[in-house]
Amino acid sequence: AQRVTQPEKLLSVFKGAPVELKCNYSYSGSPELFWYVQYSRQRLQLLLRHISRESIKGFTADLNKGETSFHLKKPFAQEEDSAMYYCATQGGSEKLVFGKGTKLTVNP
Amino acid sequence: DTGVSQDPRHKITKRGQNVTFRCDPISEHNRLYWYRQTLGQGPEFLTYFQNEAQLEKSRLLSDRFSAERPKGSFSTLEIQRTEQGDSAMYLCASSQAGSYYNEQFFGPGTRLTVL
Repeated sequence: AQRVTQPEKLLSVFKGAPVELKCNYSYSGSPELFWYVQYSRQRLQLLLRHISRESIKGFTADLNKGETSFHLKKPFAQEEDSAMYYCATQGGSEKLVFGKGTKLTVNP
Repeated sequence: DTGVSQDPRHKITKRGQNVTFRCDPISEHNRLYWYRQTLGQGPEFLTYFQNEAQLEKSRLLSDRFSAERPKGSFSTLEIQRTEQGDSAMYLCASSQAGSYYNEQFFGPGTRLTVL
């Protein structure tokens, strides 16, 4: 069965500091991997997916198949990055399997 | 607003009552998904449709839950004989099969409180 682990429930950094949100997955095949973000009082939205290899809002995520990880990184956090971040996988089915999420707070 | 819409946004009901939620997907999307999210958890998949066909159901979808998408457009999710454990945010999402990203676009959710 697919499983996604986000070990940090809460993460707090100062503006301008680097940030890394951790995500580990378990799946026997080659899943699609995503990061979704939910800003305060907004709906869940896609931030990035590994297949596109894009950098969105300065965030990147590298798939490490050996470590089964897909950590989200940004070199210089901004206050507007404060949000809930969910890592998700999709494999063998159209459904998304989400982690429990990490609440990122960027302090001024 | 051309995004996914859900109605109602909030529902408070008493245990044992039936409730029905509606989801209107983005108009050109042929896939529609239902997820449930409880406090401190990520969204959990319930079921999805391609056009009017229900193609996958989670074990979370007990006999008290039924979802329909009769004309391949909007969908309804009904919960019969609600229990306190059904209290959650119910999220709907839609996507277009065959699109480059097959991105799932989420609605604002319906928050259900069972007293």
